[in-house]
Amino acid sequence: DVKVTQSSRYLVKRTGEKVFLECVQDMDHENMFWYRQDPGLGLRLIYFSYDVKMKEKGDIPEGYSVSREKKERFSLILESASTNQTSMYLCASRKPTGNQGTPLHFGNGTRLTVT
Amino acid sequence: DAKTTQPTSMDCAEGRAANLPCNHSTISGNEYVYWYRQIHSQGPQYIIHGLKNNETNEMASLIITEDRKSSTLILPHATLRDTAVYYCIVSGGGTSYGKLTFGQGTILTVHP
Repeated sequence: DVKVTQSSRYLVKRTGEKVFLECVQDMDHENMFWYRQDPGLGLRLIYFSYDVKMKEKGDIPEGYSVSREKKERFSLILESASTNQTSMYLCASRKPTGNQGTPLHFGNGTRLTVT
Repeated sequence: DAKTTQPTSMDCAEGRAANLPCNHSTISGNEYVYWYRQIHSQGPQYIIHGLKNNETNEMASLIITEDRKSSTLILPHATLRDTAVYYCIVSGGGTSYGKLTFGQGTILTVHP
C-alpha cells in the first residue's frame, strides 16, 4: 500500500512565524500535491509538483511556497503565517497518469492553527 | 476538468446497498471518473475509478452510463464504517500532472 506521511497531525503557530509542513511518500511517485480543506469550501489545491525541483501553482498559492528537493518529499512553506491560514492541510501523491487514470493517495492531514 | 453534481446527503440502512449518484454532463472523452471518501478527521481515501466500462474492486462498484454523463458508486453491503463524505471527481488522464478538483461531495449516513 502507498503510504503518504505528514510530519505533524496538529500544529499551533503564532502569526508571523515561518511554518514548514512536511510530506513524504514511499511509492516513488513523481506527482505530489498540497491541498487545504476548510468547512464549506471543500479541498482547494495550493501547489503541485510533477517531478523533483518542479512546481506549479494551484488555485490558491498566495501566502505559500513549496520545495521539492527529493522525489519522496514535498514541503509546504507558510512564509509568514496568518490567522486565515488556519486550516487542515492535506498532502497527496500520484503516479503520472499517462494514458491511464491513476488515483491520488492522501496523507492524514495536518491541522494547523495560527493564533 | 468537468464539473460534477452530487446530492448533498443520503441515508442507507446497514447491510443494504448504498447507491451514490453523480452527474458529469460536460465530461470529455479522455476524462476519468474517480470516487473518494473522507471519514471525519482523516485524509480522503481512494475508492475506485473508471473511463467508460463498469468497474469493480473489493470496496465498491462503479457504473458509468453509456453516454458517460453520469455514474453511480455502489457499496454493496453498507456498514456503519461506511459513513463518510463521498466525492465524485472527473479529471483528464492524458496529462502527467493532472490535478483533481474536489467539490462538496455527498454525506452518506449508514444507520443501524
